[in-house]
Amino acid sequence: KNEVEQSPQNLTAQEGEFITINCSYSVGISALHWLQQHPGGGIVSLFMLSSGKKKHGRLIATINIQEKHSSLHITASHPRDSAVYICAVRTDKLIFGTGTRLQVFP
Amino acid sequence: NAGVTQTPKFRVLKTGQSMTLLCAQDMNHEYMYWYRQDPGMGLRLIHYSVGEGTTAKGEVPDGYNVSRLKKQNFLLGLESAAPSQTSVYFCASSPPGQYYGYTFGSGTRLTVV
Repeated sequence: KNEVEQSPQNLTAQEGEFITINCSYSVGISALHWLQQHPGGGIVSLFMLSSGKKKHGRLIATINIQEKHSSLHITASHPRDSAVYICAVRTDKLIFGTGTRLQVFP
Repeated sequence: NAGVTQTPKFRVLKTGQSMTLLCAQDMNHEYMYWYRQDPGMGLRLIHYSVGEGTTAKGEVPDGYNVSRLKKQNFLLGLESAAPSQTSVYFCASSPPGQYYGYTFGSGTRLTVV
């Protein structure tokens, strides 16, 4: 079993929809990262959090340490949000999930 | 503000050939990392460095070597490329400590035929 599990693996949405991507992990962590990877592009760090909630524009990330779970929400989704979203947890190293591929259609 | 720059962006090698991937960062970060990304798998750590002149093995180090002669550069070498090393390679850097984020390069797509 992977130490970091993301769901769903693939997600299709209509522009304007509210999106939720989930990340569950099975190890003790010091922090959790959400990353964005555009097709053919590099990887961009969106959030790093160790408790509570962070917001940046239309993106919101939450984490529940007791339940070992984090969610990434996108409000008012837009086609430019189409990307792979990757969850990674920090132990003595960074352990990555396999990513959630999001496609937002106009 | 270049951040982390990887060269080359694409490369095709024949089995048995050697090559070096270069990673350069201009943020004065102490830590640097090389990852590989394969379909259906999360990024996996190949080697990392916690400072100039130091290197250490990650999860999947076999077939690769690294060097960090200068703080800003981290080189990944393939001495004798194999088809199993076909992958997308990412370099990343970070300040020391567990509360800092990583900055990633744009990746190198390597195909070994």
